[in-house]
Formats: sequence, C-alpha cells, structure tokens
Amino acid sequence: NAGVTQTPKFRILKIGQSMTLQCTQDMNHNYMYWYRQDPGMGLKLIYYSVGAGITDKGEVPNGYNVSRSTTEDFPLRLELAAPSQTSVYFCASSYLGGDQSYNEQFFGPGTRLTVL
Amino acid sequence: RKEVEQDPGPFNVPEGATVAFNCTYSNSASQSFFWYRQDCRKEPKLLMSVYSSGNEDGRFTAQLNRASQYISLLIRDSKLSDSATYLCVVNPLGNDYKLSFGAGTTVTVRA
Repeated sequence: NAGVTQTPKFRILKIGQSMTLQCTQDMNHNYMYWYRQDPGMGLKLIYYSVGAGITDKGEVPNGYNVSRSTTEDFPLRLELAAPSQTSVYFCASSYLGGDQSYNEQFFGPGTRLTVL
Repeated sequence: RKEVEQDPGPFNVPEGATVAFNCTYSNSASQSFFWYRQDCRKEPKLLMSVYSSGNEDGRFTAQLNRASQYISLLIRDSKLSDSATYLCVVNPLGNDYKLSFGAGTTVTVRA
C-alpha cells in the first residue's frame, strides 16, 4: 500500500492564480481531511469528507474548495491564490466504522505552497 | 484560549536522559487523546494513543489527568532518533473525525 499520496510536493504560485492539490489514498478509508500547517501553529482543518459525495467545512475553509467523487481521491482547489495561503498542506485519511472510539489519521507527505 | 496548548521547547537533552513534557486542553468533554510525532519537514505520524489509566509503549509513557486537563509524554533513555516535534492531539467534541492539534514540543537529543 502506498498509503496517502499528495502531488505536487512543492509549488510557487503568483497572486490570483489557481491550482489543485491532489490527494489519493489506497487504504479504503472513508474519512479524508485537508489541513494546513503554518510555522509555530497547530494543524488547522480546512475541509473534510466522511465519504464519496459528502464534504464539509473545517475551521479555515475560506479560499478553498474540495470535491470527493471517489473514495480514493480528495482534491483541494485554491482559487485566486493569496499570500496568506502560503503554507504546508497535508491530506489525511482515517477509517471510522461501527466502533468510533478510535481515529488514527494517516497523513500524506505534504505540499509546500508559496504564493508570491 | 487555544483548544490545545503545548510548551514549544526546545528541550535539549543528552542521549540516555529522560525528558517529559505536558500539554493542556480546554474542553473538559474531550474524549480521545493522542501523541503524534513529526520529523522536520515531514508528515505527522501517530506515536501513541493516551488512555485514561496511562499507557506505556517501550520507552514512551503517556498519562492523562482529566481533573487538571492535561496529558503528558515521558521519554526514557533518549535516543538521537527521538529528536522530533511531538504534537499533542485531542478530540474535543467527541466527534471522532475532528481532531485539534497543538503546535508541538520540539525535542533535540544530543550525542
């Protein structure tokens, strides 16, 4: 299993440009998440999905959009990039079944995005 | 007030030493607690869950104090490979899909 994969690893955008960060997991996890991590700060949840076709906002959704057409893929779209979106973006997935007492989230390697 | 607060460190310790640090959480109804490890410029990975009775995994011991709302991590016989940032993670609402992450405590083990 490759686990959670993300592309690209690095990207530099100009203000106002758009891009899609790709995330794929091969563990048949139902839950997927997008986080951003800024220096000295904890991970902040941008969007999450509890299954194909279902997405919801997290703590910091403004400026982003997501879709979940399949169990495996959860792309994050940035429209009109701004310098405040310079960050490291992590995708994660987890499986929550009947016993929802445990939630280990598995993370992808991250995408380092700079907006200039 | 932040949901999860940690001393950022860094904790600089020699090999073989014991190092311990805490994190505090604000929501007394929090259900699940974890320590994640994050190496420099890498993704977080689960180190261990924290159970009410306290638990141990090799050289690592985690404790939960619900009355004072903090969890702790103790590392015995530190190795160079233990150098990392340790993230305190809490499930604040009992919703297992949302986790709150602390900013991390950096540990550096020197030879």
